[in-house]
Amino acid sequence: EFQVVESGGALVQSGGSLRLSCAASGFIFDMYTMNWVRQAPGKGLEWIAHFGFSSNAIHYADSVKGRFTISRDNVKNSLYLQMDSLRTEDTAVYYCVRGLTAFDSWGPGALVTVSS
Amino acid sequence: EIVMTQTPLSSPVTLGQPASISCRSSQSLVHSDGNTYLSWLQQRPGQPPRLIIYKISNRFSGVPDRFSGSGAGTDFTLKISRVEADDVGIYYCMQATEFPRTFGQGTKVEIK
Repeated sequence: EFQVVESGGALVQSGGSLRLSCAASGFIFDMYTMNWVRQAPGKGLEWIAHFGFSSNAIHYADSVKGRFTISRDNVKNSLYLQMDSLRTEDTAVYYCVRGLTAFDSWGPGALVTVSS
Repeated sequence: EIVMTQTPLSSPVTLGQPASISCRSSQSLVHSDGNTYLSWLQQRPGQPPRLIIYKISNRFSGVPDRFSGSGAGTDFTLKISRVEADDVGIYYCMQATEFPRTFGQGTKVEIK
């Protein structure tokens, strides 16, 4: 069965940095595009980044553009999210999500808490 | 950015009765390839979201047939024919026709 699992969530101070990882298994990783979606406590879903089949197919939400960087390693079957200049409003559960036109596999999420 | 608007935001339903959720997009979701990339996600309490419907009306693997999706252009509907206790949670519509991907605010389905 295919699955994705996030790691790296932590408590970090405002202005700090953090790197999330997502390990994929059970499917041919380089045949799928991947995303990061976040959910602030008690709030709805917010898509924040997409990595397509090449580095030319990267997209970001305006809320994280210039601060967050998505990357992937197809040899390690892994997706990453480098988060810099973190703000308190970045506090959320971050989900690694498979899919281009439908998000068909979600990880359990990694909690990132940004303190002031 | 395409804005997705769901109604209602809360839907108390009696077990065994139907439920319906509407989702409207601020512009047509028809992609240049002819497909409409509107999907529905279910998020049960304490769990990550899961895909239940994709491309308006296609049930994802393992999703019971009491769930159905319909619509076109900018107006879409998710229907649950007979609500079961397992259906409690928040339902989101999502568009993947263009970037940024956007979600509706979510509709909470609960049992009366």
